[in-house]
Amino acid sequence: DAGVIQSPRHEVTEMGQEVTLRCKPISGHDYLFWYRQTMMRGLELLIYFNNNVPIDDSGMPEDRFSAKMPNASFSTLKIQPSEPRDSAVYFCASSSLGYGYTFGSGTRLTVV
Amino acid sequence: RKEVEQDPGPFNVPEGATVAFNCTYSNSASQSFFWYRQDCRKEPKLLMSVYSSGNEDGRFTAQLNRASQYISLLIRDSKLSDSATYLCAVREYGGSQGNLIFGKGTKLSVKP
Repeated sequence: DAGVIQSPRHEVTEMGQEVTLRCKPISGHDYLFWYRQTMMRGLELLIYFNNNVPIDDSGMPEDRFSAKMPNASFSTLKIQPSEPRDSAVYFCASSSLGYGYTFGSGTRLTVV
Repeated sequence: RKEVEQDPGPFNVPEGATVAFNCTYSNSASQSFFWYRQDCRKEPKLLMSVYSSGNEDGRFTAQLNRASQYISLLIRDSKLSDSATYLCAVREYGGSQGNLIFGKGTKLSVKP
């Protein structure tokens, strides 16, 4: 299994631009999670899906953030417009019934 | 949102030392507990689950104290390769899923 695949690995963008992060979960996993990690705040859950349906988006910082999961093998996290304070590493993770999450390699976002 | 707290460290120890990490959680309804390892600029990876009776995996021992609401990780005979950040994670409600709340991690540095 290729694991959870995220793209891009690195993204540098200017303030105000739209940013789209992508995630392909492990085949057969029915839960998908988007986390953001910063030095100050650690790993924070943004949103998670079960069977492609958003279950809890209370961690999404504000309306500039949106996430979709159009099918079981693909999810996107979009930031529009981006701001410097959005700079962080964004991780996608997937899981099936049971416990351990498998994380993707993350997208390191820098907004200048 | 309930908190999960860890000593940020860093813990600097010589090879062969025994090192212990603690993690406290504030929600007494928490159901499942985990330790993750995160190498520099990498994604978190599941190290071990923490069971009520305590569990051991080679040099690693995890314990749960529900009364005091903390979990611990003990590493015996530490190796240079154990250098990483160790994150505890807590699932707050029952059933098969529910998002994990992560601590900010404790950095371990094992020196020759």
